[in-house]
Amino acid sequence: EAGVTQSPTHLIKTRGQQATLRCSPISGHTSVYWYQQALGLGLQFLLWYDEGEERNRGNFPPRFSGRQFPNYSSELNVNALELEDSALYLCASSPRTDSYTFGSGTRLTVV
Amino acid sequence: AQKVTQAQTEISVVEKEDVTLDCVYETRDTTYYLFWYKQPPSGELVFLIRRNSFDEQNEISGRYSWNFQKSTSSFNFTITASQVVDSAVYFCALSVRGAGSYQLTFGKGTKLSVIP
Repeated sequence: EAGVTQSPTHLIKTRGQQATLRCSPISGHTSVYWYQQALGLGLQFLLWYDEGEERNRGNFPPRFSGRQFPNYSSELNVNALELEDSALYLCASSPRTDSYTFGSGTRLTVV
Repeated sequence: AQKVTQAQTEISVVEKEDVTLDCVYETRDTTYYLFWYKQPPSGELVFLIRRNSFDEQNEISGRYSWNFQKSTSSFNFTITASQVVDSAVYFCALSVRGAGSYQLTFGKGTKLSVIP
């Protein structure tokens, strides 16, 4: 069984630009969670998508947004990038039963 | 609101020593799940264990063991006879079924270094 796939592995952007991160969940999993792991801040919940809808979001500004496609894959968009957005972004998929499988992450660097 | 506290930021042990990683959680929900994840330098989170709030049985898996005590809201993780490959950041996490929200709340993590 293929695991959770995230792309790209690394991404370098300039302040003010937009970044798009992608996540493909495990087959059969309908939920996708996004987490940000910034240096010194631990893992913070960003967004939760289930069945194509945004179900919950963490304490992040609106320039963090995303969507979930009919095949349950997901995109995370970060607009107007700031230096502090530099972090490892982790995606987790779940069959909505308190079981979570994480991808290897996208390391975003904003310069 | 949920909270997970891992008071130990960094721990160093010599290979073959036993080490215990502490985790204390806070929640008002009676139904919840507790997790431990391992994050090696490569970055991915590797699932180690899940325990629900109604099951206080301790668990052992090879060199790993977990002690869940609801009375003290703790879910501690012990590695016996540590090895260099155990070096990683370990996260304790909590998931509650409140208000239809299922996301994980993580502790800050404990960085374990096993010295040969």
